[in-house]
Amino acid sequence: AQKITQTQPGMFVQEKEAVTLDCTYDTSDQSYGLFWYKQPSSGEMIFLIYQGSYDEQNATEGRYSLNFQKARKSANLVISASQLGDSAMYFCAMSSKGAQKLVFGQGTRLTINP
Amino acid sequence: DTGVSQDPRHKITKRGQNVTFRCDPISEHNRLYWYRQTLGQGPEFLTYFQNEAQLEKSRLLSDRFSAERPKGSFSTLEIQRTEQGDSAMYLCASSLDGLGNEKLFFGSGTQLSVL
Repeated sequence: AQKITQTQPGMFVQEKEAVTLDCTYDTSDQSYGLFWYKQPSSGEMIFLIYQGSYDEQNATEGRYSLNFQKARKSANLVISASQLGDSAMYFCAMSSKGAQKLVFGQGTRLTINP
Repeated sequence: DTGVSQDPRHKITKRGQNVTFRCDPISEHNRLYWYRQTLGQGPEFLTYFQNEAQLEKSRLLSDRFSAERPKGSFSTLEIQRTEQGDSAMYLCASSLDGLGNEKLFFGSGTQLSVL
């Protein structure tokens, strides 16, 4: 069975600082994908970034990057130059080829202070 | 914008009543998913469709829950004889079948409160 663990219930960061949100995963599959989603108070899950298990380079999308350490089974999200609008819940998720669904962690609530 | 849309955004009902939610996916997406999210938790998978076929259902989906996607476009999720434990956010997502590990696009959800 697949499992995602996010150990930080809440994070508080000063505006313009970088922040790392932790995510570890457990799977016996060889091919899988790792995702990060942002959920603001409006409720919509917004896709941020994706990393495939066979991708050799860490994924980047603008201010977001995914620090993928396959041997440690971790997929941490790094947000550079944080902004007030980054305040939200952040969820790490994974899927496996053929599993056709995402398994989510419990999330981390990020608060950016001015 | 042609993202995933869900209706209604909020639903308040009394225990024992039936409720139905609607989801309109992104038009070219052939996969549609339903998730449930309770307060302080990540979304949990309920079921998914490929076109009009319902291919997987979670154990979370009791006999009181039924989902349909009659023409492979929009989907409905019905909960019969609602219970207070059904109170949650119900999220719909869609994706385009590709080579695997497709990105899901989510709607804003329907927040259900059962009194």
